[in-house]
Amino acid sequence: GAVVSQHPSRVICKSGTSVKIECRSLDFQATTMFWYRQFPKKSLMLMATSNEGSKATYEQGVEKDKFLINHASLTLSTLTVTSAHPEDSSFYICSANPLSNVNNEQFFGPGTRLTVL
Amino acid sequence: AQSVSQHNHHVILSEAASLELGCNYSYGGTVNLFWYVQYPGQHLQLLLKYFSGDPLVKGIKGFEAEFIKSKFSFNLRKPSVQWSDTAEYFCAVNAGEAGTALIFGKGTTLSVSS
Repeated sequence: GAVVSQHPSRVICKSGTSVKIECRSLDFQATTMFWYRQFPKKSLMLMATSNEGSKATYEQGVEKDKFLINHASLTLSTLTVTSAHPEDSSFYICSANPLSNVNNEQFFGPGTRLTVL
Repeated sequence: AQSVSQHNHHVILSEAASLELGCNYSYGGTVNLFWYVQYPGQHLQLLLKYFSGDPLVKGIKGFEAEFIKSKFSFNLRKPSVQWSDTAEYFCAVNAGEAGTALIFGKGTTLSVSS
């Protein structure tokens, strides 16, 4: 149980286009999902906390107009990178916190590799 | 705010050597502690986790970690490493309250030579 999927697994786009990444909890419901970014050979940086039915909370330095997050249901959160530029190329990882989880454990998706040309 | 420090940036060991990776965190309240591994080109895998109880936690692949509350530490250990343990290791912490994010350390690269 506790499986999180991400789609697509990798995407290549042209500079200036927008890209949407989906994060789904497949066998549980999650009021809270998290989006992380990982640069090559670096750690995971928390970008934002996504709450179902409300606005996401962004970490300092993360542009909310650039990285649009929508958490419309208890099993789906989306991250849209708007007007992508080469510096947005990165590995984006989501995680989800099950409703029933008393220990605040998160389950991670496999990540989406974004390459902006 | 929480923070996590991993002191070893890159560790190089020979097979069968013992491993200890340091992790310290700063947070005054109840915490949950995790170690993750990321093999080259792959996604994160959970090695072990600590929520409460016995401070010595055993995980997968022969790894264990000890939570020392007085030192705010959660060091990862393995008595005898293998070449296949070559990977990136991340310590992570979150507060005990539901809905709080995991904060990751910068990671330690482990290289094991055969």
